[in-house]
Amino acid sequence: DGGITQSPKYLFRKEGQNVTLSCEQNLNHDAMYWYRQDPGQGLRLIYYSQIVNDFQKGDIAEGYSVSREKKESFPLTVTSAQKNPTAFYLCASSKWAGTATVNSPLHFGNGTRLTVT
Amino acid sequence: AQTVTQSQPEMSVQEAETVTLSCTYDTSESDYYLFWYKQPPSRQMILVIRQEAYKQQNATENRFSVNFQKAAKSFSLKISDSQLGDAAMYFCAYIGRGANSKLTFGKGITLSVRP
Repeated sequence: DGGITQSPKYLFRKEGQNVTLSCEQNLNHDAMYWYRQDPGQGLRLIYYSQIVNDFQKGDIAEGYSVSREKKESFPLTVTSAQKNPTAFYLCASSKWAGTATVNSPLHFGNGTRLTVT
Repeated sequence: AQTVTQSQPEMSVQEAETVTLSCTYDTSESDYYLFWYKQPPSRQMILVIRQEAYKQQNATENRFSVNFQKAAKSFSLKISDSQLGDAAMYFCAYIGRGANSKLTFGKGITLSVRP
């Protein structure tokens, strides 16, 4: 079955360390996204990529970095510059990049809970 | 910039009853799409229903239906015959039709279902 795999499910790090969250999809989707979810905040877009080797900042990109070297993979690095990194991170993908269609909704992974102490 | 507002942080419904979750949005675009996503305790985001702004007919998916009022920029979700499995967080989301449009989510509403 096709889907999006995020790993690990739980991640713990010490303050000051960079950490990379994995996101892999086998849906052959063009676009991939990273969201951060905090209680009472909904989902906020960190970065998105519409094509390999290209990505754009979302609403809260500061302290994060991404790469898109392969269509299937879109890892997110939480750097030590991110002031409040503890959160739930969701990766998503959609079939079409560029102009949105109602037939290209987001498919989500199961998320990674990152705790930084 | 587009915004999505879900003003009710929590709601509760009796099993088998009907509940309506509210959502309003602000946009200057005339063509766009609206979605409701469900996030159960497993935290997996699940698409519940979708609506195209240029379609006047309200979308329906089994027990889930929407009341789309384009002029009022309102997009409420009605859940009929509520079931215990409907207990979850529900997010309203908007995306414009233009290139580089990004999905914008509301803050969500937590729905509990009383047996």
